[in-house]
Amino acid sequence: DAGVIQSPRHEVTEMGQEVTLRCKPISGHNSLFWYRQTMMRGLELLIYFNNNVPIDDSGMPEDRFSAKMPNASFSTLKIQPSEPRDSAVYFCASSPPPGQGNFYEQYFGPGTRLTVT
Amino acid sequence: KNQVEQSPQSLIILEGKNCTLQCNYTVSPFSNLRWYKQDTGRGPVSLTIMTFSENTKSNGRYTATLDADTKQSSLHITASQLSDSASYICVVSPGDNTDKLIFGTGTRLQVFP
Repeated sequence: DAGVIQSPRHEVTEMGQEVTLRCKPISGHNSLFWYRQTMMRGLELLIYFNNNVPIDDSGMPEDRFSAKMPNASFSTLKIQPSEPRDSAVYFCASSPPPGQGNFYEQYFGPGTRLTVT
Repeated sequence: KNQVEQSPQSLIILEGKNCTLQCNYTVSPFSNLRWYKQDTGRGPVSLTIMTFSENTKSNGRYTATLDADTKQSSLHITASQLSDSASYICVVSPGDNTDKLIFGTGTRLQVFP
């Protein structure tokens, strides 16, 4: 089975440019999470969706960040305009609904390494 | 404030040796505690998940313990292998019916031959 798929794996962009990160969760999973990881702060939850609906976006740093989940198999995280302090690895994770496997479990994608110069 | 603290920050051991990583948390209410392994350049992968009623769980050479009274957990790695070199992250799920997780900053383990 395919795991969580993220694209691109690496992104280098200049300050001020728009960046879009993409995620395809595991089929059948109904919760999707966006995380950011830095050396200083570790893993931080940005936003999560349940059944395509945003449940908690309190971790989104500021208005420059936005996330969408138009359907159960696709989500995007957009940064506009990007800044050098946004440089980090961004992970997407998904989890199944109760009754399907271990609903406590979150499965992480390989991440997108973003560098903003 | 809900926090998860791990120690040591980094650890170097020789192949074949055992080691123990520590995790203290102040999350309340508590639902479950997980240990993740993160290889360089990859996403975290779950090793164990323990609920309030469980005090030990094993996954091959990895054994996690949980003391919910003292709010401490440990991850013991037996007969370490070079492939154990990774970051190990302790993660706590609050018991307030949300999916949010609280992450520790991890222990960076390096296993040398």
